[in-house]
Amino acid sequence: EDKVVQSPLSLVVHEGDTVTLNCSYEVTNFRSLLWYKQEKKAPTFLFMLTSSGIEKKSGRLSSILDKKELFSILNITATQTGDSAIYLCAASNAGGTSYGKLTFGQGTILTVHP
Amino acid sequence: GAGVSQSPSNKVTEKGKDVELRCDPISGHTALYWYRQSLGQGLEFLIYFQGNSAPDKSGLPSDRFSAERTGGSVSTLTIQRTQQEDSAVYLCASSNRQGAEKLFFGSGTQLSVL
Repeated sequence: EDKVVQSPLSLVVHEGDTVTLNCSYEVTNFRSLLWYKQEKKAPTFLFMLTSSGIEKKSGRLSSILDKKELFSILNITATQTGDSAIYLCAASNAGGTSYGKLTFGQGTILTVHP
Repeated sequence: GAGVSQSPSNKVTEKGKDVELRCDPISGHTALYWYRQSLGQGLEFLIYFQGNSAPDKSGLPSDRFSAERTGGSVSTLTIQRTQQEDSAVYLCASSNRQGAEKLFFGSGTQLSVL
């Protein structure tokens, strides 16, 4: 059974801190690893990673994938209160039907205090 | 539409009643997904549509759950004889082609079964 595990489950930091969120996966026919940010209800897309060792960056956020060790990290530098959210990691399975079915981790709840 | 639209945003029902949840995907998106998120949990896959057909219904928890999609657009998720364990946020997502993992999510329907 496909599985995605995130750690830590929750994290409390102060503004300006740097955080690293972890995601490990076991997925048959793995294709890509995605990160989403969920603030209220709708998860919003952050990154999609398909190749090992290539860092993707967007402002203060960056992410990298290790397909040998089957994990990904999401880094947030100089955190702000607006970064408070649930961060979801998901792995896609090419599968027999060749569609992007995602298996999600349980999420990391990040709280950034002023 | 500009984004994925779900209705209602909140639904409170009594145990044993039937409910219908609606999803209107982004215009032109052929792939549509239903996920469920219980309190403190990650997203659980329910069903995937490509056009009007559902090649993968493997995530539907029981035969009380069904979904349909008409005209390659709007989808309805129906839960019959609701149980308290059905309480969750039901999220719909769409993507613009078969196999595209970058999903665009709606804001979900918070279902509470009393």
